[in-house]
Amino acid sequence: DQQVKQNSPSLSVQEGRISILNCDYTNSMFDYFLWYKKYPAEGPTFLISISSIKDKNEDGRFTVFLNKSAKHLSLHIVPSQPGDSAVYFCAASAIAEYGNKLVFGAGTILRVKS
Amino acid sequence: NAGVTQTPKFRILKIGQSMTLQCTQDMNHNYMYWYRQDPGMGLKLIYYSVGAGITDKGEVPNGYNVSRSTTEDFPLRLELAAPSQTSVYFCASSYFSKSSYNEQFFGPGTRLTVL
Repeated sequence: DQQVKQNSPSLSVQEGRISILNCDYTNSMFDYFLWYKKYPAEGPTFLISISSIKDKNEDGRFTVFLNKSAKHLSLHIVPSQPGDSAVYFCAASAIAEYGNKLVFGAGTILRVKS
Repeated sequence: NAGVTQTPKFRILKIGQSMTLQCTQDMNHNYMYWYRQDPGMGLKLIYYSVGAGITDKGEVPNGYNVSRSTTEDFPLRLELAAPSQTSVYFCASSYFSKSSYNEQFFGPGTRLTVL
């Protein structure tokens, strides 16, 4: 049973445009959500996070939106750059239930074309 | 700080062989984790540790063992390698507090092939 789903395996965007990556979850106990970015042959690196008490968090070109009623979050990258081409993983945690453990989605491959 | 380091980077094993994947962190994190990532899949938690001497199973622990004798090191042991254990293995570490979430820091991974 996949608790965190990223239904788009890949996304292709033109440089300078907006990239929107989506993530759905099923466990209503999740109280913290993170996005990780992964380049080939490297480990995932933390990108941005959001607590369940917020609906938006922004960090430079990256913004994460959380819709708790729909159990949906999205990552917006504006403007997209070729260096953003990577695999993006959505992850969720429930401190009370899982401690610091994370549940990951399958990832979305983002390709930014120049 | 080197962060989280893993050795080896690559390894090919024959069925039935054993090996230990090494993981070391220099951030004094109390929590450490082992994940595997199969093609087209997200990361699955194998084992984790909340501190030296304390380990627990994750989602996919079968075929693996771990130990945590120091804060810095968290080796993963494969006793009887099987083709199903062909994967990329990531070690991670984090600080844990009950009041706030702290992100996990990942190593570069070990690509393991079992033939």
